[in-house]
Amino acid sequence: DIQMTQSPSSLSASVGDRVTITCRASQSINSYLNWYQQKPGTAPKLLIYVASSLQSGVPSRFSGSGSGTDFTLTISSLQPEDLATYYCQQSYTTPRTFGQGTKVEIK
Amino acid sequence: QVHLQQSGPGLVKPSQTLSLTCAISGDSVSSNSAAWSWIRQSPSRGLEWLGRTYYESRWHTDYAVSVQSRITVNPDTSKNQFSLLLNSVTLEDTAIYFCARETIFDSYFDHWGQGTLVTVSS
Repeated sequence: DIQMTQSPSSLSASVGDRVTITCRASQSINSYLNWYQQKPGTAPKLLIYVASSLQSGVPSRFSGSGSGTDFTLTISSLQPEDLATYYCQQSYTTPRTFGQGTKVEIK
Repeated sequence: QVHLQQSGPGLVKPSQTLSLTCAISGDSVSSNSAAWSWIRQSPSRGLEWLGRTYYESRWHTDYAVSVQSRITVNPDTSKNQFSLLLNSVTLEDTAIYFCARETIFDSYFDHWGQGTLVTVSS
């Protein structure tokens, strides 16, 4: 199975800060990397697909980059509603696998 | 607008079978552009993909090795839904279970069910 490793596991930032979350795959997955946001008590919500494509309806402050094994999710200006846990997921092969999550807190 | 509605019991006894259903509206379980997955989430295992079914000339299923001997994901075309059967459950199968649609092209989970907390307890 392809292992997905996220860092950091949690972070605290102020409103307006630029936030970066990284995700590393245990082998090359080309650009088959998706990012999800999960708020407490709800299902994950798709933010970014194939590494850098913004899902319809997602604010433009979210962006993704990377290919191969190293990927990044960036929130350009953190907002209070971005309080959530963020997950990366590879869709290069089955089984689909997820990172362990990055919990974002607001200072 | 695609909507996935999950149903099924929230409490299962050890050694018995966990059974959940995901009803689809706004799409078809037989769609040739989607796959239908079950994913679970627990504090110890995080988000864990369990298996999927999809139609491409014929029905296909894929399962995670960790549950391969115990899992069945079945489509039901008459009711436009799909199901999860997980037998011989143990306490470690306690989790929130989600159904989700994955696009065949680009392969991402764009629609999710509401989640069902399943507790394995006697």
